[in-house]
Amino acid sequence: NAGVMQNPRHLVRRRGQEARLRCSPMKGHSHVYWYRQLPEEGLKFMVYLQKENIIDESGMPKERFSAEFPKEGPSILRIQQVVRGDSAAYFCASSLDLQETQYFGPGTRLLVL
Amino acid sequence: GIQVEQSPPDLILQEGANSTLRCNFSDSVNNLQWFHQNPWGQLINLFYIPSGTKQNGRLSATTVATERYSLLYISSSQTTDSGVYFCAVASGGSYIPTFGRGTSLIVHP
Repeated sequence: NAGVMQNPRHLVRRRGQEARLRCSPMKGHSHVYWYRQLPEEGLKFMVYLQKENIIDESGMPKERFSAEFPKEGPSILRIQQVVRGDSAAYFCASSLDLQETQYFGPGTRLLVL
Repeated sequence: GIQVEQSPPDLILQEGANSTLRCNFSDSVNNLQWFHQNPWGQLINLFYIPSGTKQNGRLSATTVATERYSLLYISSSQTTDSGVYFCAVASGGSYIPTFGRGTSLIVHP
């Protein structure tokens, strides 16, 4: 049973480009969460999605960031017009239900030059 | 929102030593998880423990929800235990966890 998959593992973008991060949850999991980790810090919640619905996006910056979890396919975190401050590790987690254990993917390390 | 404080921030041990990591939180707990982030950055679930005590090999955890703290015990530490240990707590009407800043552990051979 594969765990949470994320790709790419590393992503390099120049300022102004777009970054697309993908997350495939564990089999059977319909709850997906995105977190951001800055160097030397803990993870900060960004957005919580269920299939085709954004449930909680209270941690998501209001501009340039968006997330989706379509009926078919992985969840996508999209960052438009990236800036150097977007450089971080972005983790995706999934769970069977909201009250259940979250399982994390390996993360995508984004570097903005 | 809830405040999650972890201590100590850094810990250096000799292989074979025991240690206790602490997580204090400021509100009632819905769920609490302990994670280990290894030196390669991967997050590994250790315990889901909103209350009570659990053990898994050399690791055990206790959460005293009424006193708003959780403890992670590592016995007979090994070099592979090195990394950062995070406590993540959800409280109030939310099940979205807030992470502490972590305890960075280095175990020397």
